[in-house]
Amino acid sequence: GQQLNQSPQSMFIQEGEDVSMNCTSSSIFNTWLWYKQDPGEGPVLLIALYKAGELTSNGRLTAQFGITRKDSFLNISASIPSDVGIYFCAGQWFQAGTALIFGKGTTLSVSS
Amino acid sequence: DVKVTQSSRYLVKRTGEKVFLECVQDMDHENMFWYRQDPGLGLRLIYFSYDVKMKEKGDIPEGYSVSREKKERFSLILESASTNQTSMYLCASRGGGLMNTEAFFGQGTRLTVV
Repeated sequence: GQQLNQSPQSMFIQEGEDVSMNCTSSSIFNTWLWYKQDPGEGPVLLIALYKAGELTSNGRLTAQFGITRKDSFLNISASIPSDVGIYFCAGQWFQAGTALIFGKGTTLSVSS
Repeated sequence: DVKVTQSSRYLVKRTGEKVFLECVQDMDHENMFWYRQDPGLGLRLIYFSYDVKMKEKGDIPEGYSVSREKKERFSLILESASTNQTSMYLCASRGGGLMNTEAFFGQGTRLTVV
């Protein structure tokens, strides 16, 4: 099945550092979504992007929808311990009968 | 807030058992999905449904079936559970229309087949 290429696979950082992760696809998408999953829980939506070039922030998180519509990135500034978790990108070509396609996730560890 | 509820957080079943995982959403969403999550493999789509009684195979449908008799409920069925179906199962729902593209997830069901 089709999947997105998400990198890095894992990150180990110090509290206060900035973090950047990205996703690329061979297909163009109408929507890019970023989710965070805490251990033992379901993913929770962080940011949704709908337009090529769009840059959206949610607190310390900033995400961009690539101009080519085939990529997206997520930045986290000034990381804190509760940022620990798995971050997933997801893309969608919106039409009836289609489903989200997910990256394999970036596991973030933050040491204080 | 959208609420997607999965019937169990943890399940332990024996090989060969028929297993039902239930998912209910309260936002009148047209689309519902079942994913499984395994370390290093991300979320893989098993089945999805875009309307009552409608279903589409995802990437890994083998060994599974689904049922959507009512709009709010989407069931995943393991016809004869096997140990390689031990996994975290996630249900999601999404509204229809061009402006409702975000999917909302349940809390997950961790299934162990012994």
